[in-house]
Amino acid sequence: DAGITQSPRHKVTETGTPVTLRCHQTENHRYMYWYRQDPGHGLRLIHYSYGVKDTDKGEVSDGYSVSRSKTEDFLLTLESATSSQTSVYFCATGQGDYGYTFGSGTRLTVV
Amino acid sequence: DAKTTQPPSMDCAEGRAANLPCNHSTISGNEYVYWYRQIHSQGPQYIIHGLKNNETNEMASLIITEDRKSSTLILPHATLRDTAVYYCIVRVAGAAGNKLTFGGGTRVLVKP
Repeated sequence: DAGITQSPRHKVTETGTPVTLRCHQTENHRYMYWYRQDPGHGLRLIHYSYGVKDTDKGEVSDGYSVSRSKTEDFLLTLESATSSQTSVYFCATGQGDYGYTFGSGTRLTVV
Repeated sequence: DAKTTQPPSMDCAEGRAANLPCNHSTISGNEYVYWYRQIHSQGPQYIIHGLKNNETNEMASLIITEDRKSSTLILPHATLRDTAVYYCIVRVAGAAGNKLTFGGGTRVLVKP
């Protein structure tokens, strides 16, 4: 969907390094979300935001932090990447009770 | 949010209707039923949602039983491009954060 972009699309990083993933939306949606998807676990919510500077934890938030300084940008940071954080990360936006829009994903490999 | 139960997989013939069941026996009166699908490696795609009335859009129809304990997503004329994992989710409308919780979904394979 052209209204939401994730960057980078692919990244390989070393254990212990910090990593930041970016989600950018042009829909002016209030809600933004970060999910991770792993084989056998499906999509799991990491963090979400319900407005600028308003964020909260999801079910798998340990090891991750987020920031939202502007409506259009939601950043996910791995302070010190571990191999268990190798995953595909999806960002999503939502407004009201309508469906979410998901980005194309970021494939992160921690070696 | 209420949990859902879906069959892990199903096959469908191309051109035929695909009927995907979902059980949500603990659904509350203010919870909507949402359907998403995820085509290989892509982000999930919203299909349809409803509260208690049947709904139809250009992609699919959603049939919700009168007691709201189950629903069926209908793809009227399945194509090979409909091969995907389909997720049924229930969520409280207007809840703080509007979070969606994904389960395992149904892996649908449309065969020629």
